[in-house]
Amino acid sequence: DAKTTQPPSMDCAEGRAANLPCNHSTISGNEYVYWYRQIHSQGPQYIIHGLKNNETNEMASLIITEDRKSSTLILPHATLRDTAVYYCIVKGGGADGLTFGKGTHLIIQP
Amino acid sequence: GAVVSQHPSWVICKSGTSVKIECRSLDFQATTMFWYRQFPKQSLMLMATSNEGSKATYEQGVEKDKFLINHASLTLSTLTVTSAHPEDSSFYICSARDMGEGLDEQFFGPGTRLTVL
Repeated sequence: DAKTTQPPSMDCAEGRAANLPCNHSTISGNEYVYWYRQIHSQGPQYIIHGLKNNETNEMASLIITEDRKSSTLILPHATLRDTAVYYCIVKGGGADGLTFGKGTHLIIQP
Repeated sequence: GAVVSQHPSWVICKSGTSVKIECRSLDFQATTMFWYRQFPKQSLMLMATSNEGSKATYEQGVEKDKFLINHASLTLSTLTVTSAHPEDSSFYICSARDMGEGLDEQFFGPGTRLTVL
């Protein structure tokens, strides 16, 4: 699976949009971009995933660049409960486990 | 999203004893489940892939005789830490792969915190 690079930490004001970047320059054509988050001492929570088109669900939006070498997760109206470590993971199809990097520790400030 | 449970949520045991952790998919069937562990201030590390009705596949460096995995049904996988030692103290997390209706997503349990004295 391709490697991802994320900033170690980010701050965002409550109520503002949080934009979390991820670089995955070695992504291959059949690999998806997944986003999970982990709130302290809990299991990771699935957020969203995409292949090449932008995706949106009730939690977030995922913007993937045209060359697929980077993506941005957008939390449109961040709340204090969104404080967590956010992981960007690239994975092909199939029954493989996920490879977690260090992620981005997002801190929502009141 | 789909729900995955783990039991127990935490356990404290003496060195040398064995501990069993259960992982259940509550509202979907999972032919594949995964076991991870997470040490303090580190990221999750995949330990093994558990397939219903067959032997688990272990990642490099994970002792299969120490971490016994059984996936006896489409909704239950168990991880047994045998002869546990203090260095096995960690946060153990399972995930289950939901392939229903065009999905291919992994959902995680809440984790089990193991402390070996």
